Amino acid sequence: DTGVSQNPRHKITKRGQNVTFRCDPISEHNRLYWYRQTLGQGPEFLTYFQNEAQLEKSRLLSDRFSAERPKGSFSTLEIQRTEQGDSAMYLCASSPNPEAFFGQGTRLTVV
Amino acid sequence: KQEVTQIPAALSVPEGENLVLNCSFTDSAIYNLQWFRQDPGKGLTSLLLIQSSQREQTSGRLNASLDKSSGRSTLYIAASQPGDSATYLCVLVGGYQKVTFGTGTKLQVIP
Repeated sequence: DTGVSQNPRHKITKRGQNVTFRCDPISEHNRLYWYRQTLGQGPEFLTYFQNEAQLEKSRLLSDRFSAERPKGSFSTLEIQRTEQGDSAMYLCASSPNPEAFFGQGTRLTVV
Repeated sequence: KQEVTQIPAALSVPEGENLVLNCSFTDSAIYNLQWFRQDPGKGLTSLLLIQSSQREQTSGRLNASLDKSSGRSTLYIAASQPGDSATYLCVLVGGYQKVTFGTGTKLQVIP
């Protein structure tokens, strides 16, 4: 499968724990985006990388959230000290410009 | 700030009907517009991409148009089927690769 891959697909964690998600973009796509989608809402932009450089971060990305793309290929999104309000679908997209391709998402449930 | 509105928010039609989903945006300085579908609990699947220099794109039973001057795009679905039931999102890419999601139209096609 050469699409955008996200792991894990589902994650259940206790409040206060740290979680890390991984996104493998389509090979050679230089742009990578993270979005969060809560139930019944459209996706909300979190952050954007061009190669390894994080060019933009939403104000939604509090200091408990950090994203990296160390070699300009895969990216990780870490949430520290998870809260129930972090429960959502986390979507990753990659783009060679102009088209964006989305992964299937990681569904996080904080209990 | 780009604002993207989709009308209607929800739509229920009998199988076989032709239908039109609308997307309006406030800033015409866009690079491209994409239509996606999202099935419950799943990621986004790209349907059609229209670049800013294009006026329409077609794929199978789907036809998308773009009128930048009026800030509008439409997605036309011919001969709707129950499998078309999903949420449809229009997504705009503007300056600095800023991606803005529409509010979504939830479609239900009744057999």
